[in-house]
Amino acid sequence: AQSVAQPEDQVNVAEGNPLTVKCTYSVSGNPYLFWYVQYPNRGLQFLLKYITGDNLVKGSYGFEAEFNKSQTSFHLKKPSALVSDSALYFCAVIPRSTGFQKLVFGTGTRLLVSP
Amino acid sequence: KAGVTQTPRYLIKTRGQQVTLSCSPISGHRSVSWYQQTPGQGLQFLFEYFSETQRNKGNFPGRFSGRQFSNSRSEMNVSTLELGDSALYLCASSPRGGNQPQHFGDGTRLSIL
Repeated sequence: AQSVAQPEDQVNVAEGNPLTVKCTYSVSGNPYLFWYVQYPNRGLQFLLKYITGDNLVKGSYGFEAEFNKSQTSFHLKKPSALVSDSALYFCAVIPRSTGFQKLVFGTGTRLLVSP
Repeated sequence: KAGVTQTPRYLIKTRGQQVTLSCSPISGHRSVSWYQQTPGQGLQFLFEYFSETQRNKGNFPGRFSGRQFSNSRSEMNVSTLELGDSALYLCASSPRGGNQPQHFGDGTRLSIL
């Protein structure tokens, strides 16, 4: 079965410090990988994706993610956190076998950045 | 360019009723997907439409249905509403589907009394 795990329900970090939000996946083959962010009472906003190529992917708002095939991980990172980064973050995959837009989401990680 | 528009934003229904939610994708986007978001089950895929055809379907009962019109606008319908259908329903669009990022609307929050 295809699944995505976000092992931390919440991540707390001080403003200016680096942040990491973890994601591992269990999907056959090489999936397409995504990170989305959700602010209160809003839909999801696309941050970045990994399709192929360089393992370090750069995205919106200074976020980046590192793809590690051997560990089946796709951790989200940012060198210096902002209070405005506080939100709910979702990792998601699309198995290449489907070819369609069926995103399989993790359970989400709430990021809290303190001033 | 306008984003994905979902109407209505909030809806209150009672058990046994049916409801129709509407989604207008970004202009030029032909793929529209629907998701259900609940505190207990998280984000779950409902279905995807492309050029008026359902291309993929999630594991939801037949009470959940959808359609797409020639202008790519989409509707989803839920019949015989149950308390457990209370959720945020999100619509997302992309130009052609596949591995393209999906652009989400702000959702319709459906509450069942």
